[in-house]
Amino acid sequence: GAGVSQSPSNKVTEKGKDVELRCDPISGHTALYWYRQSLGQGLEFLIYFQGNSAPDKSGLPSDRFSAERTGGSVSTLTIQRTQQEDSAVYLCASSAQTQRLSDTQYFGPGTRLTVL
Amino acid sequence: GENVEQHPSTLSVQEGDSAVIKCTYSDSASNYFPWYKQELGKRPQLIIDIRSNVGEKKDQRIAVTLNKTAKHFSLHITETQPEDSAVYFCAASILGGGADGLTFGKGTHLIIQP
Repeated sequence: GAGVSQSPSNKVTEKGKDVELRCDPISGHTALYWYRQSLGQGLEFLIYFQGNSAPDKSGLPSDRFSAERTGGSVSTLTIQRTQQEDSAVYLCASSAQTQRLSDTQYFGPGTRLTVL
Repeated sequence: GENVEQHPSTLSVQEGDSAVIKCTYSDSASNYFPWYKQELGKRPQLIIDIRSNVGEKKDQRIAVTLNKTAKHFSLHITETQPEDSAVYFCAASILGGGADGLTFGKGTHLIIQP
């Protein structure tokens, strides 16, 4: 079946503009995660959704970052007033998360964001 | 919160030799430890994972060991092949604690020399 998809694959924007990144999880996966990967670095956890709910938003780097998920499926990560330090690859992952067990997280291809 | 340290940052081995990557974690509540392989420009892909109720897990040329007491876990790749060249990330989390996500190490760039 189809894996996790993300759009756009690449986004170049000017400092100060807002951007919206989209994630389509694997169908039926209730859990959705956003991570950020800076050049040559590991993955930094940003936020998690169980269904449409995000229990903890403290991983978001600043109040310019927000995320939502509707219908238990598609999620969008919005960055307002982008800064150069926001440049990174933004990765989305989803998992089935049956009952209380965290299942494997499957990653999307990422969105490479470049802020000029 | 959880902190995961990964070593080495770069590992170069001769084709056919074994490679070992080591990680330590700080939160004794962590009980799920996946390893991801990321090829250049591609998404991370799970290659193996281990839960804290077992000490070792093997899948063909790949094995992972876990020492809960010492809070460290390792990835072992035997009979390395050119296609094993990639960046490998270890991670830790708490099962059922999805809100914490996975905490990743900074990655090991594995280079397989022909």
